Amino acid sequence: ETGVTQTPRHLVMGMTNKKSLKCEQHLGHNAMYWYKQSAKKPLELMFVYSLEERVENNSVPSRFSPECPNSSHLFLHLHTLQPEDSALYLCASSKSRHLNTEAFFGQGTRLTVV
Amino acid sequence: DQQVKQNSPSLSVQEGRISILNCDYTNSMFDYFLWYKKYPAEGPTFLISISSIKDKNEDGRFTVFLNKSAKHLSLHIVPSQPGDSAVYFCAASAVDYKLSFGAGTTVTVRA
Repeated sequence: ETGVTQTPRHLVMGMTNKKSLKCEQHLGHNAMYWYKQSAKKPLELMFVYSLEERVENNSVPSRFSPECPNSSHLFLHLHTLQPEDSALYLCASSKSRHLNTEAFFGQGTRLTVV
Repeated sequence: DQQVKQNSPSLSVQEGRISILNCDYTNSMFDYFLWYKKYPAEGPTFLISISSIKDKNEDGRFTVFLNKSAKHLSLHIVPSQPGDSAVYFCAASAVDYKLSFGAGTTVTVRA
């Protein structure tokens, strides 16, 4: 148990569906992240939120839309995804964005787009 | 452009022997390096780190070595245990604090 919880663990969705990934942390951290891990590739940073404000968007397509309603919750809204978006999506948190090296990761959501 | 590279996708080692995982980086601005360990169906967990002002950091069975001139770091696990079987990610950060990850090395410890 790392203190960062992601739901669902697995998701299969069609290209026309809308779904959301949820991440929750009760570690008192102020920064939260979304990473994408494709097979045999490095983890790719997608978004960074610090104190509920988006501070980083790494050229992620608009079909991925993050939301951070409070410092404990982070969502990734998915809309009209492509099969190549199939990957493991990892949420992480850290005390602050300047301490992202001590990030705690969730278990991830395995997403399959069909 | 991949700034952190783990050129060995997999490593198999006998239980009790040493596991050596290698990582190369290209960005000379990186000043903090970490290793994360990932079991199947779990997120990565922090294992050990090293600052660029050091060349070695040890924590129990795990030692990380940093060679700044070669832009190379390695993780030594000795002795290797079956529970060490996992994917190991090398990561690095610079002053912008963004973590850049390698693609991972899958370690299998044989009994």
